[in-house]
Amino acid sequence: QVQLVQSGAEVKKPGASVKVSCKASGYTFTGQYIHWVRQAPGQRLEWMGWINSYSGGTDYAQNFQGRLTMTRDTSISTAYMELSRLTSDDTAVYYCARSGLAALRGDYWGQGTLVTVSS
Amino acid sequence: DIQMTQSPSSLSASVGDRVTITCRTSQSIKHYLNWYQQSPGKAPKFLIYASSTLQSGVPSRFSGSGSGTNFTLTISSLQPEDFATYYCQQSFNNPQTFGQGTRLDIK
Repeated sequence: QVQLVQSGAEVKKPGASVKVSCKASGYTFTGQYIHWVRQAPGQRLEWMGWINSYSGGTDYAQNFQGRLTMTRDTSISTAYMELSRLTSDDTAVYYCARSGLAALRGDYWGQGTLVTVSS
Repeated sequence: DIQMTQSPSSLSASVGDRVTITCRTSQSIKHYLNWYQQSPGKAPKFLIYASSTLQSGVPSRFSGSGSGTNFTLTISSLQPEDFATYYCQQSFNNPQTFGQGTRLDIK
């Protein structure tokens, strides 16, 4: 069965970076995009961008340009999301989601990773 | 960015009720509209894509319609497991944006 398993919760100080992993299983990793979506406490879902797991190509939301990096390691079917220059506004649950398209149709999601930014 | 506005923001209903949630967009997105269900502390669950196509495994009591700027999600007969928050999401262009959510509570 398809599963996306994310790394554990993180606590970071303002100005630091965080890297969250998303390990896929149960399907051909390189046949799908991985999107990242975050949700701040009590807020709506916010799309961050995607990575093409086959080519490594990426597309990021403008809000995150310059401090967001998505990568993947096809040998271990894992995608990564790294966000730098963290502020308290980045405190959120971060989700990875699988989609067959660059247009998000998230049919499977990771369990979420809570990132807390606090001094 | 395309703005997504759902109504109502919250809704109380009973098991067996028929409910409709509306999603309006700030510009036409043709049929590029998806719906998700999210329970507290859980990841979103994919319900409907391309405005009206039911994702595999989703019960047929869920249905979606609309195009352009106006869309609806209907649950024909509420079941206990349906009480959750529902989000619409546009995939017409980037950034792909979500509505603010509609919280569906038990009356």
